[in-house]
Amino acid sequence: GNSVTQMEGPVTLSEEAFLTINCTYTATGYPSLFWYVQYPGEGLQLLLKATKADDKGSNKGFEATYRKETTSFHLEKGSVQVSDSAVYFCALDGSGYALNFGKGTSLLVTP
Amino acid sequence: NAGVTQTPKFQVLKTGQSMTLQCAQDMNHEYMSWYRQDPGMGLRLIHYSVGAGITDQGEVPNGYNVSRSTTEDFPLRLLSAAPSQTSVYFCASSPLTGEGETQYFGPGTRLLVL
Repeated sequence: GNSVTQMEGPVTLSEEAFLTINCTYTATGYPSLFWYVQYPGEGLQLLLKATKADDKGSNKGFEATYRKETTSFHLEKGSVQVSDSAVYFCALDGSGYALNFGKGTSLLVTP
Repeated sequence: NAGVTQTPKFQVLKTGQSMTLQCAQDMNHEYMSWYRQDPGMGLRLIHYSVGAGITDQGEVPNGYNVSRSTTEDFPLRLLSAAPSQTSVYFCASSPLTGEGETQYFGPGTRLLVL
């Protein structure tokens, strides 16, 4: 079946540091891949997505590239801010309606 | 647009009590779903619906019932609450146009079962 594995947190970074959160997946076919973000006390919201191999999703300075050869979708940001502190979820959609989520990675950015 | 709304925000139940978690969306989305979020487990799909009158089970359906009588509403029922159902519950919706659609999440309901 489909599954997503992402790096365990928590991740603590200083402001302006470089961020990478690793995500790998197992799926049949060619799923769509997502990063969702959950700010404290809120629901999840889409951060970025990619629907086919070699696509790069980007939003708010975050980027992730759909790498079929390594079955990965790593999230990166060149310079994190305190306001980026949140939980980040990698997810895949292999069915057209149900998402498979990773366990989430908590990020804390300190001033 | 209010998007996806959920009520209540927080609820405490005793073991054996029943309750309904409400979810509504005003985006005319065909697809709606319920997830539960537990520490270290990510989000797991409970039930989903692809349209009014159509529901199906997800990964962890036991102890939960759903129905979909309108496009807008998708309530989740706990018939006899158990401590293992203590969790944060999220409702989501999306258009049903194929893979890659963004799912829109509600703010969540935090449930504590004593």
